[in-house]
Amino acid sequence: KAGVTQTPRYLIKTRGQQVTLSCSPISGHRSVSWYQQTPGQGLQFLFEYFSETQRNKGNFPGRFSGRQFSNSRSEMNVSTLELGDSALYLCASSLDSRANVYEQYFGPGTRLTVT
Amino acid sequence: ILNVEQSPQSLHVQEGDSTNFTCSFPSSNFYALHWYRWETAKSPEALFVMTLNGDEKKKGRISATLNTKEGYSYLYIKGSQPEDSATYLCAFGFYNQGGKLIFGQGTELSVKP
Repeated sequence: KAGVTQTPRYLIKTRGQQVTLSCSPISGHRSVSWYQQTPGQGLQFLFEYFSETQRNKGNFPGRFSGRQFSNSRSEMNVSTLELGDSALYLCASSLDSRANVYEQYFGPGTRLTVT
Repeated sequence: ILNVEQSPQSLHVQEGDSTNFTCSFPSSNFYALHWYRWETAKSPEALFVMTLNGDEKKKGRISATLNTKEGYSYLYIKGSQPEDSATYLCAFGFYNQGGKLIFGQGTELSVKP
């Protein structure tokens, strides 16, 4: 069974630009969560999608948004990039609607650098 | 603000040593406690998901316990090996909050041969 895939793996953008990251969950998984990892902050929850609906959102500004498609693939968008958005962005998929009682499977991440 | 605290931040042990880490979390609205292992250049990998007070899980040399009333979980590694070197993360899942997990900062374990 293929794991969680994320594209692109690396990205360099300039301040003010926008970026879209993609995540394909494990086949059959309907919950996709996004996390931001920065040095000193650990993994911070961005949002979670289940059946094309955003179910939870973390404490991030509105510049961070996402969506989920009918095939459970998810995209995350960051508009008006700031230097502080440089981070590793991880997505994780889980099997069920009660996703936090099931283990989450993480992708390899997208390393975003904002200059 | 709900915090998940892990201690120690880092640990250096010799091969063969046994070690343990602590994860402290809010005892209210508890639903699940996850442990993940994150090796350098790899993705976080799930070790355990625990939901019941008093739960104990074991996978090979690694085991974990859970106390939801006092809000802590311990992860034990028996006879550490160099391949156990990784960052160990715990994450707290809220009741009725879907897949939202709050992660601790992790404990970085280094095992020297």
